[in-house]
Amino acid sequence: QVHLEQSGTEVKKPGASVKVSCKTSGFTFTGYYIHWVRQAPGQGLEWMGRIHPHSGGTNYAEKFEGRVSMTRDTSINTAYMELSSLRSDDTAIYFCARDDNTAAAFWGQGTLVTVSS
Amino acid sequence: DIQLTQSPSSLSASVGDRVTITCRASQNILTYLNWYQQKPGRAPDLLIYDSSSLQSGVPSRFSGSGSGTDFNLTINTLESEDFATYYCQQSYTTRWTFGQGTKVEIK
Repeated sequence: QVHLEQSGTEVKKPGASVKVSCKTSGFTFTGYYIHWVRQAPGQGLEWMGRIHPHSGGTNYAEKFEGRVSMTRDTSINTAYMELSSLRSDDTAIYFCARDDNTAAAFWGQGTLVTVSS
Repeated sequence: DIQLTQSPSSLSASVGDRVTITCRASQNILTYLNWYQQKPGRAPDLLIYDSSSLQSGVPSRFSGSGSGTDFNLTINTLESEDFATYYCQQSYTTRWTFGQGTKVEIK
């Protein structure tokens, strides 16, 4: 069965970077885009970008260009999202999700990232 | 980027009610519109894709309609487990966007 398992809670100081992992199983990792979506406390869903694991090609939301990097390791079927120059308003739950014909049918459980001095 | 505006932002309803949520896109997105349900502390669940296709395993009381810029999610005969927040999302462009969400609360 399709499963996306994300890394655990992170606490970071302003200005630092965070790298969240999304380990996948139950499907051909290189056959689907992986998207990253975040949700600040009490707020809505915000799309950050996507990566195609086969090519490594990425597309990022304009808001995060220059600050986000999405990578993958096909040997362990894992996608990564790294966000740099963290600010307090980056405090959020970060989700990975598999793209199934232009919709996200499978999601990770979410990773809470707290940015605080 | 394409903007999606949901209405209402919240609503109160009773079990058994019929509920309709609207999503309006800032430009024509054909039928590249999906709907998700999210409960507190959980990842979103896909309900409807391509405007009107019911995701596998989703109860048939959920339905979607629309094309172009105007879309609806309808819940027929609301059940207690349907109290949640609902989001629309467009995939017409490479850069996805979400609506701001509609919270369905118990009256």
